[in-house]
Amino acid sequence: GESVGLHLPTLSVQEGDNSIINCAYSNSASDYFIWYKQESGKGPQFIIDIRSNMDKRQGQRVTVLLNKTVKHLSLQIAATQPGDSAVYFCAENLNTGNQFYFGTGTSLTVIP
Amino acid sequence: EPEVTQTPSHQVTQMGQEVILRCVPISNHLYFYWYRQILGQKVEFLVSFYNNEISEKSEIFDDQFSVERPDGSNFTLKIRSTKLEDSAMYFCASRDSANSPLHFGNGTRLTVT
Repeated sequence: GESVGLHLPTLSVQEGDNSIINCAYSNSASDYFIWYKQESGKGPQFIIDIRSNMDKRQGQRVTVLLNKTVKHLSLQIAATQPGDSAVYFCAENLNTGNQFYFGTGTSLTVIP
Repeated sequence: EPEVTQTPSHQVTQMGQEVILRCVPISNHLYFYWYRQILGQKVEFLVSFYNNEISEKSEIFDDQFSVERPDGSNFTLKIRSTKLEDSAMYFCASRDSANSPLHFGNGTRLTVT
């Protein structure tokens, strides 16, 4: 039968450790990628973006890596804090369109 | 920091009724979107709107859905005859250019009974 909901991948890390969240995107024509953080009861919040002409981009405590060969995106969070606990989504934008396609998300839990 | 605002935060309606979900995008933004998220599932694209017309829509966005920008600040999603399966979080988003990220509101939780 049809599943009611998706089982989210989960990641648990100790406070202070680094976190790596992975995403496999679907379309080789995608040329712009965004990582979003979603806390319970809130909308997706922009974290960092990267375009297909780059393979790495750094922000404050976050780094995004893009591997176009295998269509893989990762988000690294340094020194993870309890406030980082949330669901993280990657989103891809095709170079021919206006919309973003979201991945299924990863639930990150930071253990104090 | 400017933000996308959505009202109401929670809407309960009976099956078959019409609902209008309201959004105020960030003021200098030009591209507007509606997404939905069924509980526990991923965020799904419904429709994008630019230059006073729909630019893209998904197969979810059938004839019971419509969008409107009635004035210079509001962006609305109307569901004409709600079904139980329309129960979801509905997120509005906007961006200022085709090369910038989407900024989301905190959503309207629609419950159809």
